[in-house]
Amino acid sequence: QQQVKQSPQSLIVQKGGISIINCAYENTAFDYFPWYQQFPGKGPALLIAIRPDVSEKKEGRFTISFNKSAKQFSLHIMDSQPGDSATYFCAASSNDYKLSFGAGTTVTVRA
Amino acid sequence: GAGVSQSPRYKVAKRGQDVALRCDPISGHVSLFWYQQALGQGPEFLTYFQNEAQLDKSGLPSDRFFAERPEGSVSTLKIQRTQQEDSAVYLCASSPVWPPGELFFGEGSRLTVL
Repeated sequence: QQQVKQSPQSLIVQKGGISIINCAYENTAFDYFPWYQQFPGKGPALLIAIRPDVSEKKEGRFTISFNKSAKQFSLHIMDSQPGDSATYFCAASSNDYKLSFGAGTTVTVRA
Repeated sequence: GAGVSQSPRYKVAKRGQDVALRCDPISGHVSLFWYQQALGQGPEFLTYFQNEAQLDKSGLPSDRFFAERPEGSVSTLKIQRTQQEDSAVYLCASSPVWPPGELFFGEGSRLTVL
């Protein structure tokens, strides 16, 4: 049973536009929520992460929004660039340190 | 090397063969994780180590899967009597600390079982 549900499966955005990816979870023990970026043939790389004591975290063009009561979190990619074209995974873990990943979102940025 | 190194990058095995996948973590990294990534899916946890101690192997799909890290650095994931459903990319990740913080992933070993 997938512990983290991610949507959409794929999205296409124009250069300069905003990409939004959503994730939902059920396990209230989760206390660490990272986002990973993966290019074809490469391993995932940490993009940004948040803990539930804050509702938003921004790093450059990437922002995580976190809604603890709704058990949802999302990634916003502002001013999307062709180099952002990749697969993005949300994930979550508790104090057992085992990341549960979403199924991934393939983002295509059209120039 | 600068990153997590995995070998072989590609492995084709006939059903029933044994395979061994190697992971060289970043030097000095304490934590080491193995994940399995099926085509078009997110990675799924297999097992993790703190130095040479295997602390959790609850994600290993069956007793055909075995992982070790005898000296607390290089790790090997062994799959005995491979089955077609074992076909996937096997990802290794390491972290410099325990409890683990950011995980640094290798590029993976793609296993195809015919």
